[in-house]
Amino acid sequence: TQLLEQSPQFLSIQEGENLTVYCNSSSVFSSLQWYRQEPGEGPVLLVTVVTGGEVKKLKRLTFQFGDARKDSSLHITAAQPGDTGLYLCAGENQGGKLIFGQGTELSVKP
Amino acid sequence: GAVVSQHPSRVICKSGTSVKIECRSLDFQATTMFWYRQFPKKSLMLMATSNEGSKATYEQGVEKDKFLINHASLTLSTLTVTSAHPEDSSFYICSARGLGEGSNEQFFGPGTRLTVL
Repeated sequence: TQLLEQSPQFLSIQEGENLTVYCNSSSVFSSLQWYRQEPGEGPVLLVTVVTGGEVKKLKRLTFQFGDARKDSSLHITAAQPGDTGLYLCAGENQGGKLIFGQGTELSVKP
Repeated sequence: GAVVSQHPSRVICKSGTSVKIECRSLDFQATTMFWYRQFPKKSLMLMATSNEGSKATYEQGVEKDKFLINHASLTLSTLTVTSAHPEDSSFYICSARGLGEGSNEQFFGPGTRLTVL
């Protein structure tokens, strides 16, 4: 069974601080996606990383895919209250299914 | 981006009744749709994979007679929770994957909140 361990599960920080969320697995994934989800809504795709070692930036968010395509990280610089939400990583396996991490509940206080 | 809708957005029903949830791809054709279940502040758990015109494939531990899935067209899949009980209360989310090369991305619906009394 493929698992994706996401940490931390809860994070409460002050506005302006930096943070990093990690997703780790013993399995190799074809690609890895990061989503953000608001309460009562479906997840919204932030980024997809495909190549080992790939780094993608989306404004203050930096996403990295591990060289072996088994792990990934999301780094947010100078967090803002609007960044508050549930962040989910998901790895795509060979069968095209998404394996989700446990999620990180981020709260950014003004 | 591609849009996926779900109906209803929330439903409350009595124990023992059946509830149907619709998932539609609005501006693209979806050969495959996925159904997920999510508990409060938890991750998404894949329940089943639905391919147009064929039987759904259920994940281990998911009762196929309890959660009936029909994918009758390239734009519509339905999930019916039969004889619902309070433990079936959850947030159900569908996603759709389109046709063609480079279309591995899944587009998620807004979810349906089911509450069984």
